[in-house]
Amino acid sequence: EAQVTQNPRYLITVTGKKLTVTCSQNMNHEYMSWYRQDPGLGLRQIYYSMNVEVTDKGDVPEGYKVSRKEKRNFPLILESPSPNQTSLYFCASSFASGANVLTFGAGSRLTVL
Amino acid sequence: GQNIDQPTEMTATEGAIVQINCTYQTSGFNGLFWYQQHAGEAPTFLSYNVLDGLEEKGRFSSFLSRSKGYSYLLLKELQMKDSASYLCAVKDSNYQLIWGAGTKLIIKP
Repeated sequence: EAQVTQNPRYLITVTGKKLTVTCSQNMNHEYMSWYRQDPGLGLRQIYYSMNVEVTDKGDVPEGYKVSRKEKRNFPLILESPSPNQTSLYFCASSFASGANVLTFGAGSRLTVL
Repeated sequence: GQNIDQPTEMTATEGAIVQINCTYQTSGFNGLFWYQQHAGEAPTFLSYNVLDGLEEKGRFSSFLSRSKGYSYLLLKELQMKDSASYLCAVKDSNYQLIWGAGTKLIIKP
């Protein structure tokens, strides 16, 4: 089944404890992206990647890191999480960044205490 | 700046028709998307418009007017399962998606 898989789906952590949210897609998509979604603000892009070893900042990159060493994986790293990073995170992918439809992962709900 | 506006919340009755509007101001235009998002779930694709006019897909239709910076999503024969948020998103001149905050649609029996 074609899908984007994120893990963990739910996580409660404490301020300053490094964490990684994994994202993997099995559709051979070139484009991958991370979003956060907060009430009343809609989806905001954190980072995106046009292809392997190519990553760019989105609208809200502060406090996050990403890497794209393989085409299928695009992990999101929070080096020192803070409470304002409590949010619902979505990974998404598409064949290219043009007019193509995004396929989203199921989401990762992160709480930072 | 770039901006997408859509109503925060709408209420409609099962079996009726509802129109969800979206207005946008972006640097360039390379298409407009509508996604559906049930509470706590991932957004899923509904429609894509790049030329002016109406695109019909079953009970859902989407309209675009590029000169007015305006789109709407029309949902007919509403069902309880249509209760969800509807997200409008525009691809700008750099092919980056600009997202609206979404419209929460509540369907009443």
